[in-house]
Amino acid sequence: QPVLTQPTSLSASPGASARFTCTLRSGINVGPYRIYWYQQKPGSLPRYLLRYKSDSDKHQGSGVPSRFSGSKDASTNAGLLLISGLQSEDEADYYCALWYSSTYWVFGGGTKLTVL
Amino acid sequence: QITLKESGPTLVKPTQTLTLTCTFSGFSLSTSGVGVSWIRQPPGKALEWLALIYWNDDKHYSPSLKTRLTITKDTSKNQVVLTMTNMDPVDTATYYCAHSAWEDYFDYWGQGTLVTVSS
Repeated sequence: QPVLTQPTSLSASPGASARFTCTLRSGINVGPYRIYWYQQKPGSLPRYLLRYKSDSDKHQGSGVPSRFSGSKDASTNAGLLLISGLQSEDEADYYCALWYSSTYWVFGGGTKLTVL
Repeated sequence: QITLKESGPTLVKPTQTLTLTCTFSGFSLSTSGVGVSWIRQPPGKALEWLALIYWNDDKHYSPSLKTRLTITKDTSKNQVVLTMTNMDPVDTATYYCAHSAWEDYFDYWGQGTLVTVSS
């Protein structure tokens, strides 16, 4: 079972909100970890969006709009990326990541967002 | 201004060893906290982190690839080198190097270099 699991796809309408999940493997508690989120548009480099551990430990990437935000759902052991006011330009692949056990980085499998 | 650029062969044969070089500017790998990672992405697939080297020569590797990877740095040349042994067609991917500070996000990425493994 992968360390991080993401749904392969997500669809939402312009102006609506999108909620991405990044579920940690059973036995790994999301609580202590910073969850990182990257956006990758077709043919482009990954772009760092934000990281979230708690409301007192979070960071927004340079130039990233405030409609992108992070959160956690302890009940499902997941990190969350929330995008409000969806725009067509938000269509992209979204990857979560974490620095696991202070030893190595792990990426999730990515979620493809379609804005239709 | 931080920039990174990957270089190396575009085609390697199965079982060969791949050597990739990341040449960077705008920062020094002798500065406390600075790190450079290698990350790859097979065509149409997800990102996969491979290795990280820090300013103090601390090295970290993906557990699934650890036996095949070696990461080194040449601070005087502003370069980081990744070697991957026993290449296989499944290793066909775009290989990126990326800058980070401490145990934190990848903020600057190279343009990537596509490596194809084929006989």
